[in-house]
Amino acid sequence: DTEVTQTPKHLVMGMTNKKSLKCEQHMGHRAMYWYKQKAKKPPELMFVYSYEKLSINESVPSRFSPECPNSSLLNLHLHALQPEDSALYLCASSQANGKETQYFGPGTRLLVL
Amino acid sequence: DQQVKQNSPSLSVQEGRISILNCDYTNSMFDYFLWYKKYPAEGPTFLISISSIKDKNEDGRFTVFLNKSAKHLSLHIVPSQPGDSAVYFCAASAYNNNDMRFGAGTRLTVKP
Repeated sequence: DTEVTQTPKHLVMGMTNKKSLKCEQHMGHRAMYWYKQKAKKPPELMFVYSYEKLSINESVPSRFSPECPNSSLLNLHLHALQPEDSALYLCASSQANGKETQYFGPGTRLLVL
Repeated sequence: DQQVKQNSPSLSVQEGRISILNCDYTNSMFDYFLWYKKYPAEGPTFLISISSIKDKNEDGRFTVFLNKSAKHLSLHIVPSQPGDSAVYFCAASAYNNNDMRFGAGTRLTVKP
């Protein structure tokens, strides 16, 4: 089973809203990732959690706040987003054993109005 | 800084023929390379990977070749099928480094 699930599939929010994206995996992976992907561009790494600790934060604005409640769950809290934050947000996970094959979820399509 | 480059944004191939997708990298610390396939509005699907200790890895119709001296890898799909039509991303990482870098992607179209 190489499934990573993400909810919701689609999200429309205003610039004053607070919302959260959720990601879950049950593969026993200890590294989880958030990526942002704009149309016709490659995925861009935002955050990495390794063993439930934030290990990489790629200079992401504070209006994006990650949270890793446990080894299976990863959240991305959104607050005061801008229209340019509209994108596909992808979650991924990997074993954290050195050779990092990352398995991606289907993504959440976010539209900020 | 584009550490992983896919210089061909698109490729069109006839069904049954070979598709060859190319990827170049600049960071000599990369030692693990992956290819992902992506359909619109979906997450990337892992296809095949290769470690730097190998120069070839094969999985069914998919073969990845690695030329470390040239910092170049390629994905061969043979025979190509219409269902292979998608965007293919090359990715690379260094050992024990979660920071995987993606190329810009190549859109493959396989015509019946």
